Amino acid sequence: GDSVTQMEGPVTLSEEAFLTINCTYTATGYPSLFWYVQYPGEGLQLLLKATKADDKGSNKGFEATYRKETTSFHLEKGSVQVSDSAVYFCALTLGSGTYKYIFGTGTRLKVLA
Amino acid sequence: DAGVIQSPRHEVTEMGQEVTLRCKPISGHDYLFWYRQTMMRGLELLIYFNNNVPIDDSGMPEDRFSAKMPNASFSTLKIQPSEPRDSAVYFCASSWSTGGTDTQYFGPGTRLTVL
Repeated sequence: GDSVTQMEGPVTLSEEAFLTINCTYTATGYPSLFWYVQYPGEGLQLLLKATKADDKGSNKGFEATYRKETTSFHLEKGSVQVSDSAVYFCALTLGSGTYKYIFGTGTRLKVLA
Repeated sequence: DAGVIQSPRHEVTEMGQEVTLRCKPISGHDYLFWYRQTMMRGLELLIYFNNNVPIDDSGMPEDRFSAKMPNASFSTLKIQPSEPRDSAVYFCASSWSTGGTDTQYFGPGTRLTVL
């Protein structure tokens, strides 16, 4: 069935380090791909999205490229800040009028000053 | 817009009691989702509505859980009777199909503790 697999956390980095959080998916058809972020005590909020192959989503210094050949949507940031500490969720929707998300398990990021 | 509003933010109850969680979606949104988040199981979709009609309730764990959407601006998730294993954070989210985007907007969540 359709699924999203994220790297296990927690990920602990020093401030200004490079971040990669891996996400791969299995889906029929042509899904849209998302990264959501959840800060402590809050709901999820959209970080970035990509709707077709080779699209790059970007926001707040984060980037992810929709790679159909490797079925991946890895999240990257060149220089993390303490304020980036949060849980990051990769997700997909199957399109064609389907608005139901399939979420990954989430990856907790902790950035140390 | 005020965003998705959920109430209460925190609920502590005793086993066997009825619990009702409330959600007000963003005005104009036609999809509404209920999720449950726990450390053990992560984020689970319980049920979602389109134009106030339940579309998929396959995630509802058992008959003790029920959800309604009597109008476009209000939804409830009810647990009766509640059990300690229902303790979790419950999120409501909404989205807008005609906006050309499938982004979901999440509320702040209700933290439920069943003693």
